Amino acid sequence: EAGVVQSPRYKIIEKKQPVAFWCNPISGHNTLYWYLQNLGQGPELLIRYENEEAVDDSQLPKDRFSAERLKGVDSTLKIQPAELGDSAVYLCASSWGVAIGAGELFFGEGSRLTVL
Amino acid sequence: RKEVEQDPGPFNVPEGATVAFNCTYSNSASQSFFWYRQDCRKEPKLLMSVYSSGNEDGRFTAQLNRASQYISLLIRDSKLSDSATYLCVVKVDNDMRFGAGTRLTVKP
Repeated sequence: EAGVVQSPRYKIIEKKQPVAFWCNPISGHNTLYWYLQNLGQGPELLIRYENEEAVDDSQLPKDRFSAERLKGVDSTLKIQPAELGDSAVYLCASSWGVAIGAGELFFGEGSRLTVL
Repeated sequence: RKEVEQDPGPFNVPEGATVAFNCTYSNSASQSFFWYRQDCRKEPKLLMSVYSSGNEDGRFTAQLNRASQYISLLIRDSKLSDSATYLCVVKVDNDMRFGAGTRLTVKP
């Protein structure tokens, strides 16, 4: 069975340029997460989707970040314009749901962004 | 105060050693608890869930103390392959919150 697929794996851009990351979750997983991970830190939640609905986007910097999950499957995370501090790994994860006890998140390999 | 706090380490131990990691969480309404493992430049993967009664999986033992809001992970008979970062994860309001991780290096 295919895991969570993310692209691109690596992206180098200059500041003020736009960038987009794509995620395809595991088939049948209705919950999708975008996390940001800086070096030496744990993943920090940006947004969580239940099907196509963004149920928690409180940590998403909405002035420059946007996300969508059309049709409740694939998702895209966009940054426009990118800043130097956005350099990080952007991780997508999916799970069966949020029922108590349902705790396994399946992560993609991440998209490593470098902003110059 | 961070929602999930861990000793960042690093822990450098010889093969065969026993090592323990601690984690505290701030939200008393936290629902579920987990340990994830992350290898260098790889994605996090679930190591084990943590139950109130404590649970064991081979060389790994996890404990939860809800009154103290404290979680632990014990690794016995460390192997070289245990070298990784161990992330404490707490489920809060249906969101999974990660600690900063504790880095472990097991040496020959």
